[in-house]
Amino acid sequence: ETGVTQTPRHLVMGMTNKKSLKCEQHLGHNAMYWYKQSAKKPLELMFVYSLEERVENNSVPSRFSPECPNSSHLFLHLHTLQPEDSALYLCASSQETTGVSGNTIYFGEGSWLTVV
Amino acid sequence: SQKIEQNSEALNIQEGKTATLTCNYTNYSPAYLQWYRQDPGRGPVFLLLIRENEKEKRKERLKVTFDTTLKQSLFHITASQPADSATYLCALEARDDKIIFGKGTRLHILP
Repeated sequence: ETGVTQTPRHLVMGMTNKKSLKCEQHLGHNAMYWYKQSAKKPLELMFVYSLEERVENNSVPSRFSPECPNSSHLFLHLHTLQPEDSALYLCASSQETTGVSGNTIYFGEGSWLTVV
Repeated sequence: SQKIEQNSEALNIQEGKTATLTCNYTNYSPAYLQWYRQDPGRGPVFLLLIRENEKEKRKERLKVTFDTTLKQSLFHITASQPADSATYLCALEARDDKIIFGKGTRLHILP
């Protein structure tokens, strides 16, 4: 139990579907993140939120749409995805977006997404 | 461009021996270096953080070294056990900048 909860753990969706991934953190952190993890690739940072404000968007296609209604919740809305978007999507949180003494990232268990 | 390399994609070590994983970096000046463990199908879990002015950090059977001249960190697991089998990720953080992760090394401890 890392204090970051993601749902669903597994999701299969068609290319024309709309679905959402949900994340909740119980750590009182100010920063939340979405990462994508594909086989044999490093973790790819997708979005960063600090106190509900998006501070970074790393050239992610518009078919991925994040939403941060408050500092404890983060969503990733998915629409018209492609098969190559199949991956493990990890939500994470940290005290701040950068650390004055090192910024430890706390990850959720991830949501396995398969696009068919 | 910034680059992190973890020495090998996979590493097999006999139970009881010391496992040593390597993290090298180029075009980067990290203030902190972290190691994470990731089990299959799970999110990474933080293990250790070492600062640029620290040479070595220990936690139980884990030891991390950080050589800013060689631009390298070594991660040691002593008296390795099959339960230590996992993927280990190196992560670098420059001051006032986001963390970047390496691809990871899959460690297999053979009984």
